[in-house]
Amino acid sequence: NAGVTQTPKFRILKIGQSMTLQCAQDMNHNYMYWYRQDPGMGLKLIYYSVGAGITDKGEVPNGYNVSRSTTEDFPLRLELAAPSQTSVYFCASSRPRDNQPQHFGDGTRLSIL
Amino acid sequence: SQELEQSPQSLIVQEGKNLTINCTSSKTLYGLYWYKQKYGEGLIFLMMLQKGGEEKSHEKITAKLDEKKQQSSLHITASQPSHAGIYLCGSQNNAGNMLTFGGGTRLMVKP
Repeated sequence: NAGVTQTPKFRILKIGQSMTLQCAQDMNHNYMYWYRQDPGMGLKLIYYSVGAGITDKGEVPNGYNVSRSTTEDFPLRLELAAPSQTSVYFCASSRPRDNQPQHFGDGTRLSIL
Repeated sequence: SQELEQSPQSLIVQEGKNLTINCTSSKTLYGLYWYKQKYGEGLIFLMMLQKGGEEKSHEKITAKLDEKKQQSSLHITASQPSHAGIYLCGSQNNAGNMLTFGGGTRLMVKP
């Protein structure tokens, strides 16, 4: 079972460049999430979506954009990469609230130089 | 916003020893999740606690929820090198659509 798939696994960007981090899940989960994990820290929620066409800001949304055109995909866009966005990005998905756990991808390691 | 504080931040134990990790919330806990993260990998769900006094076990890992203290503990019995990693607690908000995570506890188990 694929679960939550993130691509790419690693990426180095120059300041000011843009890129899209891809996330796909094959579990038909309505809820999807994007987190960032800075070194030695926990996870911070960037954006989340409760279904196709619906997205909401999390704790640290500045500098990012998301879209949810299908149930399966939830891409995260960085428009103008900044060194402060160097982090590990995790995508997760879950069923709607009935206390179901979030399932995580393996992460994308992004360095902005 | 809710804050979760984990203690200790890091822990080194000898193989075979028991250990406990704590997670304390600044607000009411509606659901508390424990995850394990191997270094350089994603998060693996361990267990979820919802009711005060609830206790769950998976192999040699036991988690408890003290609703009054707004705290959860994760206890590992007879630790093994395979237990090494980062343990994260996450608290669900009342709407059930967001998790707030603690800073994590880094565990190393020396053979």
